[in-house]
Amino acid sequence: KAGVTQTPRYLIKTRGQQVTLSCSPISGHRSVSWYQQTPGQGLQFLFEYFSETQRNKGNFPGRFSGRQFSNSRSEMNVSTLELGDSALYLCASSRNPAGLTYNEQFFGPGTRLTVL
Amino acid sequence: TQLLEQSPQFLSIQEGENLTVYCNSSSVFSSLQWYRQEPGEGPVLLVTVVTGGEVKKLKRLTFQFGDARKDSSLHITAAQPGDTGLYLCAVFSGAGSYQLTFGKGTKLSVIP
Repeated sequence: KAGVTQTPRYLIKTRGQQVTLSCSPISGHRSVSWYQQTPGQGLQFLFEYFSETQRNKGNFPGRFSGRQFSNSRSEMNVSTLELGDSALYLCASSRNPAGLTYNEQFFGPGTRLTVL
Repeated sequence: TQLLEQSPQFLSIQEGENLTVYCNSSSVFSSLQWYRQEPGEGPVLLVTVVTGGEVKKLKRLTFQFGDARKDSSLHITAAQPGDTGLYLCAVFSGAGSYQLTFGKGTKLSVIP
């Protein structure tokens, strides 16, 4: 069974540009979450989508947005990039919908974004 | 204020040694998860603990959930170089339990 895939794996952008990252979940998984990982802040939750609806959003500015398509694939977009947006962006998929006290999330390898 | 405090932040040990890493909070959780992340990869779930006082074993790794469900520990016996990585504890928070909140992790290096 194929795991979570993320594209691209590496990206270099300059300040002020925008970027779109893509995530393909494990087949059959309908929930997709995005996380930002930096050395200073660690792993921080960005947002989660289920059946094309954003169910929860972390404490990030509006420059960070996302969407989910009918095939459960997801994209996240960061507009007007800042130096501090340099990070590893991780996508995770999960089969389980709401109602459980815990879910197993399967993470992709991440997209390493560098903003110059 | 961090919801989950992990200690130590860094740990470098020789192969064959034992070690324990901790995950502490002042909040009570219904469950807690441990992940390991290797360089260039995403985190991989090791275990979920749900009952206060619960002990789970995964080969040489022993996970314990505190009686009050506020803290957890991970003990590795006879560490091997393959155990090297970033160990993260995490809990579900936010409405509907869709959001994982992570500790900052313990970076473990096992020297051959």
